[in-house]
Amino acid sequence: DGGITQSPKYLFRKEGQNVTLSCEQNLNHDAMYWYRQDPGQGLRLIYYSQIVNDFQKGDIAEGYSVSREKKESFPLTVTSAQKNPTAFYLCASSIQGGVLETQYFGPGTRLLVL
Amino acid sequence: QKEVEQNSGPLSVPEGAIASLNCTYSDRGSQSFFWYRQYSGKSPELIMSIYSNGDKEDGRFTAQLNKASQYVSLLIRDSQPSDSATYLCAVVTGFQKLVFGTGTRLLVSP
Repeated sequence: DGGITQSPKYLFRKEGQNVTLSCEQNLNHDAMYWYRQDPGQGLRLIYYSQIVNDFQKGDIAEGYSVSREKKESFPLTVTSAQKNPTAFYLCASSIQGGVLETQYFGPGTRLLVL
Repeated sequence: QKEVEQNSGPLSVPEGAIASLNCTYSDRGSQSFFWYRQYSGKSPELIMSIYSNGDKEDGRFTAQLNKASQYVSLLIRDSQPSDSATYLCAVVTGFQKLVFGTGTRLLVSP
């Protein structure tokens, strides 16, 4: 089955800790995205990547970092600099990254702060 | 002014009725419009996309676009309890940026 997987489903972070959210896709898509969703707010773009070893900041990149070493994988690290990390994190992919393309979403990771 | 605005709801309709969900956008240069459905605790899934003025139908769903008035709507005919979800409107602005609305929660009662 082709699709996008995210792990873990739930993640708990202690203050001052860095945590990494996993996103893997086997759709052979070039572009991958990370969004953050807070209650009552729309999806906000954190980072996106259209090609291996290249990525761009989105609207709310501060306190986050990413890497794109493989086409299939786009992990997101929530650093200790992100002071309000509690949210639902969604990874998405699209064929090439054009804005008119459909984005397919993974199941999401819910991050909670202890 | 928000780039994409939706009434948060909830919009309550009885089973079998037509549900009408609305979305307005601020950038007149916006060119592409999407409706996503998101069940509670789940990720969004694309229902419809529309690019030209007028109506686009797909099964029980109809998307309507009026660029002059800067609104896009989604009609769900013969609403079912399984349609109860949050519906997100997303717009590609004139700056080639995909912007999501905050979503409208739809409740369909049996």
